[in-house]
Amino acid sequence: DAKTTQPPSMDCAEGRAANLPCNHSTISGNEYVYWYRQIHSQGPQYIIHGLKNNETNEMASLIITEDRKSSTLILPHATLRDTAVYYCIVRVAGGTSYGKLTFGQGTILTVHP
Amino acid sequence: DVKVTQSSRYLVKRTGEKVFLECVQDMDHENMFWYRQDPGLGLRLIYFSYDVKMKEKGDIPEGYSVSREKKERFSLILESASTNQTSMYLCASRPGQGIPNYGYTFGSGTRLTVV
Repeated sequence: DAKTTQPPSMDCAEGRAANLPCNHSTISGNEYVYWYRQIHSQGPQYIIHGLKNNETNEMASLIITEDRKSSTLILPHATLRDTAVYYCIVRVAGGTSYGKLTFGQGTILTVHP
Repeated sequence: DVKVTQSSRYLVKRTGEKVFLECVQDMDHENMFWYRQDPGLGLRLIYFSYDVKMKEKGDIPEGYSVSREKKERFSLILESASTNQTSMYLCASRPGQGIPNYGYTFGSGTRLTVV
């Protein structure tokens, strides 16, 4: 699976958009970008994933650059409950490596009142 | 919503005890996983199962075993608990290979302390 690079921490004001970047310059053509978050003392929570098109769901939007070497997770109106560690993961969907989710250090997002 | 339920949120066990961690999912997922999470080490895969009665070793299976007698239930067993097995244990599930991959669903975790 391709390696990802994320900033260690970010701050955001409540109600504003939180834009979390992720670099994955070695991504392969069949690898998806996944985002998870982990609120303190809870299990990771799936947020969104995409291959090359931008994606949106009820939680967030995912913007993937045209060359697919980076992406941005957008939380459009951050709340205090969005304070968590956000993980960007690049991996093949399914395949023989399934199960081997590799979580890096992630980005600690702190949402301030 | 898919729910993955882990039977205990916190557990304290003594060294040498046999420990059972239970996990149940309610969305008919084929694949289930047990991870442990430790500071600085991220998530490490212990065992996974892609079908009833099927199991595969992950990256750190030593000292653990698993059981999957029913599709919805995946149990992790610590045969003889040791202090280095003190950790956060996370169960996860996801649909099988033929289904669009919506990601893994994790339980809330069991924080196990072995004393």
